[in-house]
Amino acid sequence: GQNIDQPTEMTATEGAIVQINCTYQTSGFNGLFWYQQHAGEAPTFLSYNVLDGLEEKGRFSSFLSRSKGYSYLLLKELQMKDSASYLCAVRDSNYQLIWGAGTKLIIKP
Amino acid sequence: ETGVTQTPRHLVMGMTNKKSLKCEQHLGHNAMYWYKQSAKKPLELMFVYNFKEQTENNSVPSRFSPECPNSSHLFLHLHTLQPEDSALYLCASSQEGPGGGNEKLFFGSGTQLSVL
Repeated sequence: GQNIDQPTEMTATEGAIVQINCTYQTSGFNGLFWYQQHAGEAPTFLSYNVLDGLEEKGRFSSFLSRSKGYSYLLLKELQMKDSASYLCAVRDSNYQLIWGAGTKLIIKP
Repeated sequence: ETGVTQTPRHLVMGMTNKKSLKCEQHLGHNAMYWYKQSAKKPLELMFVYNFKEQTENNSVPSRFSPECPNSSHLFLHLHTLQPEDSALYLCASSQEGPGGGNEKLFFGSGTQLSVL
């Protein structure tokens, strides 16, 4: 079967750095997405990786290793507004999106 | 604002009721989706419409009935639901449908459904 694994919950301190991991086992690979979802709000697109390496976008970076079936989302200079759930999704060989259950990130002052 | 609007935001219904969820996108996208989001579970794709044509129905029970009258509007008609159908129902749109290349999803804020 196809599977996406991410930690259920993480806690970090304001101003610090946090890394949210995502591992996947899917039938083929055609890209990996990260979305952010604040409580009671719509998920919003953060990043897309299809090639190995690091994609940086301001305070957020996303890394992909296709050979290891692994990605991470790196958040720097954490702010209270970064408290949210972070969803990892992989597009398989049939272009179906396979979703993880999400990681709830709690930022403490 | 994501450009995707869902109504109502909250809905409580009995198992014998009939209700409809509405979604409208103002982005000029060609594909629209219904997802079910239950607590601590992955998003479940329910239906996909590409250029108003239903292209996917992921074994969804017939008590959920989608309707896509045009590429900007999507409905989910509900009847004789079960308590286990209580969840957040998310609508999304993308410029192109699955396999089209530009599939970044824009989500609405969802309808929180409670079935009593």
